[in-house]
Amino acid sequence: EPEVTQTPSHQVTQMGQEVILRCVPISNHLYFYWYRQILGQKVEFLVSFYNNEISEKSEIFDDQFSVERPDGSNFTLKIRSTKLEDSAMYFCASRSQGLSPYEQYFGPGTRLTVT
Amino acid sequence: AQSVTQLGSHVSVSEGALVLLRCNYSSSVPPYLFWYVQYPNQGLQLLLKYTTGATLVKGINGFEAEFKKSETSFHLTKPSAHMSDAAEYFCAVSDNTNAGKSTFGDGTTLTVKP
Repeated sequence: EPEVTQTPSHQVTQMGQEVILRCVPISNHLYFYWYRQILGQKVEFLVSFYNNEISEKSEIFDDQFSVERPDGSNFTLKIRSTKLEDSAMYFCASRSQGLSPYEQYFGPGTRLTVT
Repeated sequence: AQSVTQLGSHVSVSEGALVLLRCNYSSSVPPYLFWYVQYPNQGLQLLLKYTTGATLVKGINGFEAEFKKSETSFHLTKPSAHMSDAAEYFCAVSDNTNAGKSTFGDGTTLTVKP
């Protein structure tokens, strides 16, 4: 069964450093998402991406964040200058326009630790 | 705008007892509703979903949920709890726009006592 994959599974970085989180969505999916879950809290929407542009973003997704689909398969989230409060689990998700158009398939997540 | 309220951040049941996790939603358009389970240090696994059609939906691991529009609810139930059901459960609502983002509730931690 196709699945969303994310790399790395765990990333440790120092405050102020740039990080790139990578996701490979399911191949025929058209909509892509990033969510964040701070430890012990709920899952929060960051951004949605469709047709090579951002379709919606939350207030969390400020100028420090950017997304890109550089090669038609990967979908990346970049944080330019990490802060301690960026420490969280980051989930990528994708969905299609097929039989279950509103079901998002989530990846296993990348745990980001900012020290 | 859409929102989800999960009543009860912690629910404790005995093994073999009924599990009831409550979820109420708010949505300005017909909602698409989901329940996810998350085990410690793992990702989100879809338990079940409601999009259209039958309001009682069955999912994996013996869980089911009923969409009640008049009550704006989508409560999750399982007739008999198993120790392996202990986890965090999230209710989510998605809209039918192109963005189609999901909004999650705060989650309910289910504890199953032997």
